[in-house]
Amino acid sequence: AQKVTQAQTEISVVEKEDVTLDCVYETRDTTYYLFWYKQPPSGELVFLIRRNSFDEQNEISGRYSWNFQKSTSSFNFTITASQVVDSAVYFCALGPPASGTYKYIFGTGTRLKVLA
Amino acid sequence: GAGVSQTPSNKVTEKGKYVELRCDPISGHTALYWYRQSLGQGPEFLIYFQGTGAADDSGLPNDRFFAVRPEGSVSTLKIQRTERGDSAVYLCASSLTGGGPPGSYGYTFGSGTRLTVV
Repeated sequence: AQKVTQAQTEISVVEKEDVTLDCVYETRDTTYYLFWYKQPPSGELVFLIRRNSFDEQNEISGRYSWNFQKSTSSFNFTITASQVVDSAVYFCALGPPASGTYKYIFGTGTRLKVLA
Repeated sequence: GAGVSQTPSNKVTEKGKYVELRCDPISGHTALYWYRQSLGQGPEFLIYFQGTGAADDSGLPNDRFFAVRPEGSVSTLKIQRTERGDSAVYLCASSLTGGGPPGSYGYTFGSGTRLTVV
């Protein structure tokens, strides 16, 4: 079965702390995509990153970095020097395989609170 | 338009009534998706359109739910005989269909329609 687990329901940090959001996934497919989305209080889901299952290079974008480890089926997200504006719910998602279904499987999300 | 537009932003309806939720995707995006997000949960897939046709409607919970996209642009999600359990935020998303599977480049989501059935 395809599944995404975000075990951390809520995390609170003080501004400027680093924080890592965990994501573990399950899939039978050999080709798949992984995503992170941010959902601020306004409700709109904002695309952050896409990762192809064949590309295990870690990625850094400003204060954001992602660690993809196929061996442990994990795709963790780290925010360095967190800011109050980072407060949101973050969703990890497993995306379409080449085999044909088109839906995403989302985790239940991690609510991040960054305190000033 | 510049983003995915969903109307109305909020809808309160009585149990048993019929509702329509509208989604206007980004111009040129051929792929359109509907998801439903209950409180404290991640979005759950409902249906996917490629152009005018529903390529995957496996997420529609029952036959009270139906969606159309007659001209390959605007889509309407229709719910008949609404029940209190239908209360949720209904999200629409669109994406380009590039070289990979549809949606593999990431979706652009709208702000959603919050449906409350009383």
